[in-house]
Amino acid sequence: DTGVSQDPRHKITKRGQNVTFRCDPISEHNRLYWYRQTLGQGPEFLTYFQNEAQLEKSRLLSDRFSAERPKGSFSTLEIQRTEQGDSAMYLCASSWTEGYTFGSGTRLTVV
Amino acid sequence: SQQGEEDPQALSIQEGENATMNCSYKTSINNLQWYRQNSGRGLVHLILIRSNEREKHSGRLRVTLDTSKKSSSLLITASRAADTASYFCATEPTGGGNKLTFGTGTQLKVEL
Repeated sequence: DTGVSQDPRHKITKRGQNVTFRCDPISEHNRLYWYRQTLGQGPEFLTYFQNEAQLEKSRLLSDRFSAERPKGSFSTLEIQRTEQGDSAMYLCASSWTEGYTFGSGTRLTVV
Repeated sequence: SQQGEEDPQALSIQEGENATMNCSYKTSINNLQWYRQNSGRGLVHLILIRSNEREKHSGRLRVTLDTSKKSSSLLITASRAADTASYFCATEPTGGGNKLTFGTGTQLKVEL
């Protein structure tokens, strides 16, 4: 599979627990993005990496959120002390020049 | 925050008809892109139009861009049931570091 892979596809967690999501981008792509999408809305930007450097973070990314991209390959997004408002689809995308390739997303439900 | 809005929010048509969706945005852009999203899945890149282009075609898709009005339209000709999905426009703002800002989407339903 040469697309963008995200794992897990679904995650149900109790409020207050920590969760971590993984994204494997297309190997030739140097840019990697995380977006969050809630029901009926378009994706909202969270953060962006160029190679291993995290170049931009949205104000949506509170202190409880952290993202890494060690060695400029896969990326992880961790949410600490989850809240019900964190329930959403978390989408990863990668790109080389223009146009994104998205993964299928991780749907997080905080109960 | 969302950069722009799509209009209409929902559209229902018969197979074979054309579907037109509009997108408005707020800031100056490098390019505007359209994506399709099937229910509960990731987004698929459809077409990109640069700020110095006015019209672009790809198969059954036709996109126009009017930077003076900060608006774009996506036309899908001869629609098929498989075109049923949500469609989002996304803008790359000038100086935006390749980050895209998405609109709120149009839900298209194509009925047999």
